[in-house]
Amino acid sequence: GESVGLHLPTLSVQEGDNSIINCAYSNSASDYFIWYKQESGKGPQFIIDIRSNMDKRQGQRVTVLLNKTVKHLSLQIAATQPGDSAVYFCAETGGSYIPTFGRGTSLIVHP
Amino acid sequence: GAGVSQSPSNKVTEKGKDVELRCDPISGHTALYWYRQRLGQGLEFLIYFQGNSAPDKSGLPSDRFSAERTGESVSTLTIQRTQQEDSAVYLCASSFRRSTEAFFGQGTRLTVV
Repeated sequence: GESVGLHLPTLSVQEGDNSIINCAYSNSASDYFIWYKQESGKGPQFIIDIRSNMDKRQGQRVTVLLNKTVKHLSLQIAATQPGDSAVYFCAETGGSYIPTFGRGTSLIVHP
Repeated sequence: GAGVSQSPSNKVTEKGKDVELRCDPISGHTALYWYRQRLGQGLEFLIYFQGNSAPDKSGLPSDRFSAERTGESVSTLTIQRTQQEDSAVYLCASSFRRSTEAFFGQGTRLTVV
């Protein structure tokens, strides 16, 4: 559920497990979505994107799923590794062309 | 360099002083964005430049904040009369055109004491 203050939603997994990070977006007019990974002290790093004419897109070890009916986006990471530990943000872009970011989810991978 | 470059990487300033933050986008990128990120929080949009169009300033929190961009190159974000609540990481991003992936710099960590 929602967290308050400085506490991000957190997902803890074991190395080798698959991870699923979820994101609910707000603007039904959004037509472009991006997942970013942010490690401590660094800027967000692009992982994968998807446009609204698709419902699934795969990359290397990552898959993004888009459900426009319920305005939901998910990022699946296969065989999660300790190096995947970071905060993950989804961003949506609509008519304003300005990426709007969600709160972020902290992924912790235990060796 | 190949990526978005921001300077300085860290800035400590006294309350009431003005600061200027710099962003060098990726060459050829027409879109440039500034965001603010407070500790443990998400990214808060500040301002967007697209080519030679008028910038979208709708995210600037007060008139103490301003930004400029020269053509499709360097951008500077200026904060006047800094306040402690301005302490945050200021992130710049650029993209080849709108609605394509935005690439971020490492950010400038601003601390107002």
